[in-house]
Amino acid sequence: DQQVKQNSPSLSVQEGRISILNCDYTNSMFDYFLWYKKYPAEGPTFLISISSIKDKNEDGRFTVFLNKSAKHLSLHIVPSQPGDSAVYFCAASGRGFGNEKLTFGTGTRLTIIP
Amino acid sequence: ETGVTQTPRHLVMGMTNKKSLKCEQHLGHNAMYWYKQSAKKPLELMFVYNFKEQTENNSVPSRFSPECPNSSHLFLHLHTLQPEDSALYLCASSYSPGTSGYEQYFGPGTRLTVT
Repeated sequence: DQQVKQNSPSLSVQEGRISILNCDYTNSMFDYFLWYKKYPAEGPTFLISISSIKDKNEDGRFTVFLNKSAKHLSLHIVPSQPGDSAVYFCAASGRGFGNEKLTFGTGTRLTIIP
Repeated sequence: ETGVTQTPRHLVMGMTNKKSLKCEQHLGHNAMYWYKQSAKKPLELMFVYNFKEQTENNSVPSRFSPECPNSSHLFLHLHTLQPEDSALYLCASSYSPGTSGYEQYFGPGTRLTVT
């Protein structure tokens, strides 16, 4: 059973518009969430994270929103740029020794159309 | 070298071969990880080492044998693999789990093909 789900395998967005990537989770013990970005032939790169005590975290063009009651998080990229074209993975973990394992979603391929 | 490096980047091996994957991190982290990424599947955690001690073995077959001689180096020894083991193998590192700044940093991966 997949505990972290990214239901959209792909997404295309016009350059300059907002990209919204979604992620759902089922394990209520998760309390730390991360987004990674992956280009072909490279390892995933950490992008942004959010702790369960917050509902929003912003870093430049990237904002992550967390809705704990819905067990849902989303990544907003605005404005979208061609360099944002990549696969985006959502990941989640618990806190404390023994609970730190990251559980990943299957990824969403984002394509920014010039 | 900076970040997390992995060698080789590509590896083709027969089912009877023995080979090793190497990972090195230059970030001063204490924990290191091996992941497997197969097509259309989430990243699967294989092993976790914290301060050189293995803290997680995620039901990985014994044909995969990890080794962590120090906090900066991690190896994955491979022997008698199967074609279904063909995948991208990723190494990652982080500060000790449970501390602040838990984010894991990944290497570029080794693309393994078993023939």
